[in-house]
This record gives sequence, C-alpha cells and structure tokens, in this order.
Amino acid sequence: KAGVTQTPRYLIKTRGQQVTLSCSPISGHRSVSWYQQTPGQGLQFLFEYFSETQRNKGNFPGRFSGRQFSNSRSEMNVSTLELGDSALYLCASSGSFGVTEAFFGQGTRLTVV
Amino acid sequence: EDKVVQSPLSLVVHEGDTVTLNCSYEVTNFRSLLWYKQEKKAPTFLFMLTSSGIEKKSGRLSSILDKKELFSILNITATQTGDSAIYLCAVLGGAGSYQLTFGKGTKLSVIP
Repeated sequence: KAGVTQTPRYLIKTRGQQVTLSCSPISGHRSVSWYQQTPGQGLQFLFEYFSETQRNKGNFPGRFSGRQFSNSRSEMNVSTLELGDSALYLCASSGSFGVTEAFFGQGTRLTVV
Repeated sequence: EDKVVQSPLSLVVHEGDTVTLNCSYEVTNFRSLLWYKQEKKAPTFLFMLTSSGIEKKSGRLSSILDKKELFSILNITATQTGDSAIYLCAVLGGAGSYQLTFGKGTKLSVIP
C-alpha cells in the first residue's frame, strides 16, 4: 500500500513569487491536513480538507490556501512569498471514520531567497 | 487554545540506557494522543493512545496515557544509536476535523 506522496521534495523560490505544493494521500483516506515545520515554531497546523471541503484552518495569513480534489489529492498554495515562509511543509493523511492515526509524507522543503 | 508541552527538550544518553520522554497537554474535547519519531523529514507514527492506563508496546518502545493528570510518557529501553531522533507528541482534539497540536519535540541523541 503506497504511503503519502508529496511533490516536489525541494523548492527554491524568490520573494514575491507563488508556489504550489501537492499531496497524494494513502488510498482510501479522505482527510488531508497540512503543517508547517520550522526550527523555532515546530509543527503548526495550516488547514485540513475532507471530501473536498476545508474543515478547519490554522492561524496563518490568507496568502496560504489549499484545495482538495475528488480523488482526495490536495494542493496548497502560498502567494507573495516571504523569507519567513521558508520551512518544511508536511501533509498528513488519515482515515475517514472514527479516531485514527495520521501518516505523514516526506515533506516539501521550501526555501525563499 | 490547545497546548502540548514536551520535556526534556533534548537528551543525550549512552547505548543501553533507558529513557523516559514526557508529554503534558491541555486540549478541548480530547480524542487521542499520538507519538511520532522524526529522523530526517517525515514523522513516522509510533503509537496512538485514547484510553487511560492502557500501555501500548512495540519492541523496546512503550507508552501510556493518564487522562486524569493530562500526560503521557514514552519509554525506550536498551537504547540504540538508531533511536537517535526527535520524538514528537501530538494531541487530537476538537470535533469535526482532524487537527493535531504538536509539542516542540524531544531531541534524543544516543551515543555508543
């Protein structure tokens, strides 16, 4: 059974640009959540999607957005990049029913220069 | 606001030692507590605990949850250099969405 797949693995962008990251969850999982990991703040919740609907959003500016497709794949977009957006972006996939574990992808390392 | 505090933040031990990592939490509508191991990038799942007092075990690792005192511990016995990693504690709270609140992690270094 394939795990959670994130692409690309690495990205270097310039301030002011925008970026799109992709996450394919484990087959059968309908919940995809996104996290930003930085050395100072640890892992912080960005948002969660379930069946193409955003169910919850963390305390991040509107420059951070996402969506989910009918096949449960999810994308997140960051517009007008800032140096402080440099981080490891992780997505997690979890099952649809009851209280289940979340499994993480390898992450996308974004560097903004 | 949900909060998870892990201690210690870092720990250096020798191979063969036993370690105990701590996690305390404050969360609205607690559903579960999860432990992850992060070596390079992807946190890998270790345990999920939902009931108080029931120990989960996997090889040399074990964990237990105390819902009354709002904490959990992760024990690693007979540590090996391969156990060197950051151990993350997360809680799943709220209702109607899947949102994990993480602690800052404990960085464990096991030296030969």
